[in-house]
Amino acid sequence: QVQLQESGPGLVKPSGTLSLTCAVSGGSISSSNWWSWVRQPPGKGLEWIGEIYHSGSTNYNPSLKSRVTISVDKSKNQFSLKLSSVTAADTAVYYCARVRHWFDPWGQGTLVTVSS
Amino acid sequence: QSALTQPASVSGSPGQSITISCTGTSSDVGSYNLVSWYQQHPGKAPKLMIYEVSKRPSGVSNRFSGSKSGNTASLTISGLQAEDEADYYCCSYAGSSPWVFGGGTKLTVL
Repeated sequence: QVQLQESGPGLVKPSGTLSLTCAVSGGSISSSNWWSWVRQPPGKGLEWIGEIYHSGSTNYNPSLKSRVTISVDKSKNQFSLKLSSVTAADTAVYYCARVRHWFDPWGQGTLVTVSS
Repeated sequence: QSALTQPASVSGSPGQSITISCTGTSSDVGSYNLVSWYQQHPGKAPKLMIYEVSKRPSGVSNRFSGSKSGNTASLTISGLQAEDEADYYCCSYAGSSPWVFGGGTKLTVL
């Protein structure tokens, strides 16, 4: 049973870079799946951020593409998200998820607040 | 890449059936049978309820069903139960910018 767990700072300063990691357990990140980040601002809906394959191929949401980098570390069985030049609008719960033609499973999510 | 359109809220009484619509375009919902639905209770991660338009994952009640016609997908919940009260999100494959979610629908069980 694959499980995902997000980790990273819960508070980031405006104009800084948000960095999160998603650890994959119970399965290999090198399996034939994509791995994705999704976020949810407080009281709002889900927004797809981007995804990565174990080969390093990526796809990003066009609205965030200029600020997003997703990378994979096969040796640690994890993948990571970096979002630069953050503002208060980037305050959200960030989820990681395995992607086939659907998103499942999901991590529990981690709240990141952008504030000075 | 615009969000798929869902009603903000729907409601129903226990035992009744409700349907949540998810309207996209010919570039996403209309072109691919890759619509999925997620249930989210407050403070929890989303849970997959339907994938590939109408398939149910193991463990999901057969009271949940999905369908699609043209650019609109639908989630139907029959025999409504109190535990079904949650937010529901649709998601579709969209080609070059692969994934787009709906804005979400709050289901209230009266």
